[in-house]
Amino acid sequence: DVKVTQSSRYLVKRTGEKVFLECVQDMDHENMFWYRQDPGLGLRLIYFSYDVKMKEKGDIPEGYSVSREKKERFSLILESASTNQTSMYLCASYREQSSPLHFGNGTRLTVT
Amino acid sequence: QKEVEQNSGPLSVPEGAIASLNCTYSDRGSQSFFWYRQYSGKSPELIMSIYSNGDKEDGRFTAQLNKASQYVSLLIRDSQPSDSATYLCAVDSSYKLIFGSGTRLLVRP
Repeated sequence: DVKVTQSSRYLVKRTGEKVFLECVQDMDHENMFWYRQDPGLGLRLIYFSYDVKMKEKGDIPEGYSVSREKKERFSLILESASTNQTSMYLCASYREQSSPLHFGNGTRLTVT
Repeated sequence: QKEVEQNSGPLSVPEGAIASLNCTYSDRGSQSFFWYRQYSGKSPELIMSIYSNGDKEDGRFTAQLNKASQYVSLLIRDSQPSDSATYLCAVDSSYKLIFGSGTRLLVRP
């Protein structure tokens, strides 16, 4: 089974802090994604990466950046956390376009 | 902006009934379609994938795809209280999956 691991289940950060959310997958998948999920808004794509050191903006990239230095690891960075970034963050990966996404357990981030 | 639309619900059905969940999408080029189940506070888990027109059955679940109408559905037979969750429809579009906002299903004992 594919395992996608997010480093933290719950995080509480202060406004203005730099926040790192880490994600690791163990199935040699090329493609990795970061989503956020908010009530009534569904899953929204922040960034994705289809190869090491490659990244593409999703639908809501503002206020975020990403890093993919190794194939198995995809990090989401909140440069200066704000209260409107309080959300559930979900990392996911798949091998190729027609494959289903496999999700990590999610990180519930609260920015105070 | 490519879109995936679902009725937010809640859809309430009695135990043992058939639950029917629907989804429409806007990208005519989409080739891969997925249904995910998400329990409150948990991450989505894959239930079904479907790639060609028609029906695909897996246990109590049947996915139906009609590309001409840009319509995907999920039928859950013999619904159980444990099926109570939010069901997300996902459609591939340009190397990424676009998700609907989900339909909340409640199965009454």
